[in-house]
Amino acid sequence: AQSVTQLDSQVPVFEEAPVELRCNYSSSVSVYLFWYVQYPNQGLQLLLKYLSGSTLVKGINGFEAEFNKSQTSFHLRKPSVHISDTAEYFCAVHPGNTPLVFGKGTRLSVIA
Amino acid sequence: NAGVTQTPKFRILKIGQSMTLQCTQDMNHNYMYWYRQDPGMGLKLIYYSVGAGITDKGEVPNGYNVSRSTTEDFPLRLELAAPSQTSVYFCASSYGGQGPQPQHFGDGTRLSIL
Repeated sequence: AQSVTQLDSQVPVFEEAPVELRCNYSSSVSVYLFWYVQYPNQGLQLLLKYLSGSTLVKGINGFEAEFNKSQTSFHLRKPSVHISDTAEYFCAVHPGNTPLVFGKGTRLSVIA
Repeated sequence: NAGVTQTPKFRILKIGQSMTLQCTQDMNHNYMYWYRQDPGMGLKLIYYSVGAGITDKGEVPNGYNVSRSTTEDFPLRLELAAPSQTSVYFCASSYGGQGPQPQHFGDGTRLSIL
């Protein structure tokens, strides 16, 4: 069965500092990977996705992620965070013919 | 476009009561999903549907029922509410074409059962 592990449940970081949110997946088939963001009291919004091709994927709001097949990872990065990036971030794997499998989320807190 | 609309936004139920959480989408998506979100647990899939008249169980279906009579609507029914069903419920939809498609989410229904 496919699974997603988000290695940090909470990540505090100072404003304008870089951040990396870690995600590892397990899958025995071709994978498609997603990062979603959830702002307080809202639903999830798509940040970026990896389907195929270049392993470096750029998303909205200056975020990017790198697909690493050998390490089964899909870490999310931003070189300089803003207060407005405070939210919960979810990594998800799409195994193919079944719905998305989500990680437990990482709460990013940006400190002024 | 409204996207995915969920009603109500908040609800308090007593143990044993029943209710229906409504979800409608205006994107003509074939696939629709219901998730519950509990603190620190991520999203758990309750039920999903790949088209009108077709529904399938997800990871945590017990205590819930769904129906899909139209492409637009995918209501979630709680028959006998229990405290363990206190949660935030999200409906989502996606296009059912070739390859994986991103899901579009509603803003959620916050349900408390007392």
